[in-house]
Amino acid sequence: AQSVTQPDIHITVSEGASLELRCNYSYGATPYLFWYVQSPGQGLQLLLKYFSGDTLVQGIKGFEAEFKRSQSSFNLRKPSVHWSDAAEYFCAVGVGKGGKLIFGQGTELSVKP
Amino acid sequence: GAVVSQHPSRVICKSGTSVKIECRSLDFQATTMFWYRQFPKQSLMLMATSNEGSKATYEQGVEKDKFLINHASLTLSTLTVTSAHPEDSSFYICSARPGHRMNTEAFFGQGTRLTVV
Repeated sequence: AQSVTQPDIHITVSEGASLELRCNYSYGATPYLFWYVQSPGQGLQLLLKYFSGDTLVQGIKGFEAEFKRSQSSFNLRKPSVHWSDAAEYFCAVGVGKGGKLIFGQGTELSVKP
Repeated sequence: GAVVSQHPSRVICKSGTSVKIECRSLDFQATTMFWYRQFPKQSLMLMATSNEGSKATYEQGVEKDKFLINHASLTLSTLTVTSAHPEDSSFYICSARPGHRMNTEAFFGQGTRLTVV
């Protein structure tokens, strides 16, 4: 069955420090992978996506993610975190012909001054 | 970028009444729309997939008669929570996907906070 695992429920980093959020997926075919960010009480904003091609994808707000097929991973990274990055982050895999998304449990990011 | 508008953003209703939530794609035609439910501090769970002009496909465990989905046009899908009860209180989010290609991303509405009292 398709699934997405985000092992870290909550991460706290200092402002200016680097960030890596982990995501592992289980899917039998070539995955379409996404990272979304959600502020409290809001919808989801797409940070970046992987469909094919270069396994290192660049997104908005200075985020990037690397697709590693051998590890079934799609980790999100940012070299220097800003206080405004504090939010909930969701990794998702697109499945089936209809393109529905299976989400991970989410990682809540807190940023220390 | 593409915009999906969801209305209302918040609604409080009495137990036993029905509530309709609208999801509109403002600048593109959405052949497919998705409805998700999110409990506090939890992930999004797909409830159903709706395609314009056809019946919605519900995920396992979702009551079709309770969560009525209509996708009457290429820009509008509605979710009606019928005979709402306090356990239906949740955050409901829609997303819309333009076109039929698999590598087309979906765009999300801002969500609707439903509170049943």
